[in-house]
Amino acid sequence: DVKVTQSSRYLVKRTGEKVFLECVQDMDHENMFWYRQDPGLGLRLIYFSYDVKMKEKGDIPEGYSVSREKKERFSLILESASTNQTSMYLCASSPTVTYGYTFGSGTRLTVV
Amino acid sequence: GEDVEQSLFLSVREGDSSVINCTYTDSSSTYLYWYKQEPGAGLQLLTYIFSNMDMKQDQRLTVLLNKKDKHLSLRIADTQTGDSAIYFCAEKDTGRRALTFGSGTRLQVQP
Repeated sequence: DVKVTQSSRYLVKRTGEKVFLECVQDMDHENMFWYRQDPGLGLRLIYFSYDVKMKEKGDIPEGYSVSREKKERFSLILESASTNQTSMYLCASSPTVTYGYTFGSGTRLTVV
Repeated sequence: GEDVEQSLFLSVREGDSSVINCTYTDSSSTYLYWYKQEPGAGLQLLTYIFSNMDMKQDQRLTVLLNKKDKHLSLRIADTQTGDSAIYFCAEKDTGRRALTFGSGTRLQVQP
């Protein structure tokens, strides 16, 4: 089975900190995605990557950046964490743009 | 832009059928998906349908697509307590490389 692993299940960070969320997939998928999930808003796309070192902004990229130095790893960076970035963050990967995604279990981030 | 809408909550009794509805706005949608999220977990792909189909059945799951009305539904036959979860509708259109998700429908199954 394809596995998408997010390094932390829960994180608590202080306002202004730089935060790294890590995601690793083990099936050589080209595409990787970061979404945030908030009650009543569903999943909103932050950034995605369709190849190593390639990235594309999603619908809500402000306050975030990403890094994809290796095919299996896609990192989400909060440059200066703010309380409105408290959320569940979900990483996903897929082999093609139309194939269904495989999701990680999520990282629940609280910014205090 | 793209928009995918779902009702937020559905409650059914165990053994009944559940029907979860979704509407989307983008007429260039190519694939439509249903995902399930159990408590504390990521999303799991349940099924998908290509936009030139109008129905797809997979065991207890039936997906119906009305392309004219841009309406997608997921029917779960003989709903069980293990089906309690949040169900997300998602669509892929030709103009985007990523899926657009709805807000999710929380299905509660009463014993």
